[in-house]
Order: sequence, then structure tokens, then C-alpha cells
Amino acid sequence: EAQVTQNPRYLITVTGKKLTVTCSQNMNHEYMSWYRQDPGLGLRQIYYSMNVEVTDKGDVPEGYKVSRKEKRNFPLILESPSPNQTSLYFCASSPHRVGEQYFGPGTRLTVT
Amino acid sequence: SQKIEQNSEALNIQEGKTATLTCNYTNYSPAYLQWYRQDPGRGPVFLLLIRENEKEKRKERLKVTFDTTLKQSLFHITASQPADSATYLCALVFILTGGGNKLTFGTGTQLKVEL
Repeated sequence: EAQVTQNPRYLITVTGKKLTVTCSQNMNHEYMSWYRQDPGLGLRQIYYSMNVEVTDKGDVPEGYKVSRKEKRNFPLILESPSPNQTSLYFCASSPHRVGEQYFGPGTRLTVT
Repeated sequence: SQKIEQNSEALNIQEGKTATLTCNYTNYSPAYLQWYRQDPGRGPVFLLLIRENEKEKRKERLKVTFDTTLKQSLFHITASQPADSATYLCALVFILTGGGNKLTFGTGTQLKVEL
């Protein structure tokens, strides 16, 4: 089944404890993105990647890192999480530069 | 400043009627516009894409219009069903010179179709 998977789905952590949210797609898509979704603010793009080893900042990149060492994987790294990073995170992939985004199921992160 | 506006209030309609959702934007010139459906606790699901030089796009019971002069897109669901109840998001798509793209999403409109 063609899909985007994210892990973990739920995570509660403490301020400053490094964490990684994994994202993997099995559709051989070149484009991948990370978004966060907050009430009243909608989905905001954190980082995106156009291909292996090619990444760039989205609208809200502060406090996040990404890497794209393989085409299928695009992990999101929070080196020192803070409470304002409590949010619902979505990974997405796309076959084309302007094509439809295929979203993962989401990761609900709480930083206390 | 740049802004995307979708009806913040929920839209309640009766089964069988046509639902019309609005996406307005200011100070943007997107190359494309997309519509997504999102159910509670789940990721958005792509529905339709329309290019800036297209006036209208249809897919089954769905229709999207794109007026770059008015800076507005309308999303219609005809013969609506309770299963159409969800939040609908519009997204502006910008092509970046470096080869990437940027999607800017509206906050969504919640649609509820009642029996």
C-alpha cells in the first residue's frame, strides 16, 4: 500500500531532551516536507526537501533540523525541544514540484 | 501582509444541497491552488489542484474555481452527503527559483452535512 508513515504517533517529552520523529514514504517521491498544525494557525511548512541531500527552510524552521540521506526517509530532529514546539506534526511527500501532497498520519508532540 | 482566509465559522448544510467553501487571499500570486480534506486526528487528503490559468476544475461531485483577479477560489460539493462532513483546507502553491515549492495553507473551514 502506498503510504507515508511517521513514528512515533504520540510523544510526551521534557524541555531540552533531543528527539527525532521519523518519516518514510514508499512511493519513490522526490519531494518531502514537514508541517506543524496549530489551532488558529493552520498548517505551516517547517522544512522541505527536493531530493536526496537537498533541503531548505520553510516558514517556521527555527528549532528544527532535517536530513535527507535516502530518498524514502526524511526525519525531523528537535535538538532541544521547548514547550512552544508542542504541536501536531505532519510529514508529506509529493511526486511533482507542484503535485499533490500525500500526508502521513501525524505525530502529536507535547513538550513539558 | 500576506493572508489566506477561509470561513472560520463552520458551515452547516442539509444533505443533497450544494456546499460552497471560500478561499480568499491577499498579496500573493500563486501558480497553483490545491484543496484538501482533513478528518479529525488524521492527515489532510488531496482533492483537487487548479492552475492559475484555469478557471474551473471538476472531479465527480467536486468543482473548484480560481479567480486570480478577485484572488479567490470557490470549492463546491454538489449533492452533499453526511460523509462529506470534514474540514476543508485550501493551499496556495508557489514555485521557488531554487527548484523547490512552498505551500501556504489556510486554516480550513469545517463542513457539516446534516440529514
